Amino acid sequence: DADVTQTPRNRITKTGKRIMLECSQTKGHDRMYWYRQDPGLGLRLIYYSFDVKDINKGEISDGYSVSRQAQAKFSLSLESAIPNQTALYFCATSDLSRPPYGYTFGSGTRLTVV
Amino acid sequence: GDSVTQMEGPVTLSEEAFLTINCTYTATGYPSLFWYVQYPGEGLQLLLKATKADDKGSNKGFEATYRKETTSFHLEKGSVQVSDSAVYFCALVDQAGTALIFGKGTTLSVSS
Repeated sequence: DADVTQTPRNRITKTGKRIMLECSQTKGHDRMYWYRQDPGLGLRLIYYSFDVKDINKGEISDGYSVSRQAQAKFSLSLESAIPNQTALYFCATSDLSRPPYGYTFGSGTRLTVV
Repeated sequence: GDSVTQMEGPVTLSEEAFLTINCTYTATGYPSLFWYVQYPGEGLQLLLKATKADDKGSNKGFEATYRKETTSFHLEKGSVQVSDSAVYFCALVDQAGTALIFGKGTTLSVSS
């Protein structure tokens, strides 16, 4: 099994629909992240969480919300999807307690909003 | 805030050519620096890293040296292969260890 599992792998949804992307990890890391990848823009941070009771906005949090249900689970929601949220979404975990700051990424969820 | 700037692509090379992808950063203190690679249709893989000035990260024939005086972390490979075709991302983590900050990525295409 993968260390960081994202579901679904691909999703097509309609404008205005609510959608949830899920992420679970077996790394035992406290820190979890959601990134969005767009061609030519790299990966941009949406939200991050340092533990179950800690949620922080990243660079592009507008239009998104997250839930940290347990140490191992971190979900991303689009309350009302819009076409410019079409992108590849990555979940990641890390052990940033000390260098070299190991990050582990999931395989990504390709979301298309039509 | 902290940021990473890397050369725009695409970079197109013939097999066995020399590769350089430039990366510079802006950050306070002493960030840790990374190169990630994304092969077509796949997720991100850590290629190499360096955590302090003058460190050299290396992996699979790729190298990058942490140069604090020029705030750079350029990626190099002496002889590229077709299988190196991918998108390469330079990234940093600040001293507080908040999160990875990525550059926009550079697409490398190698032809035989």
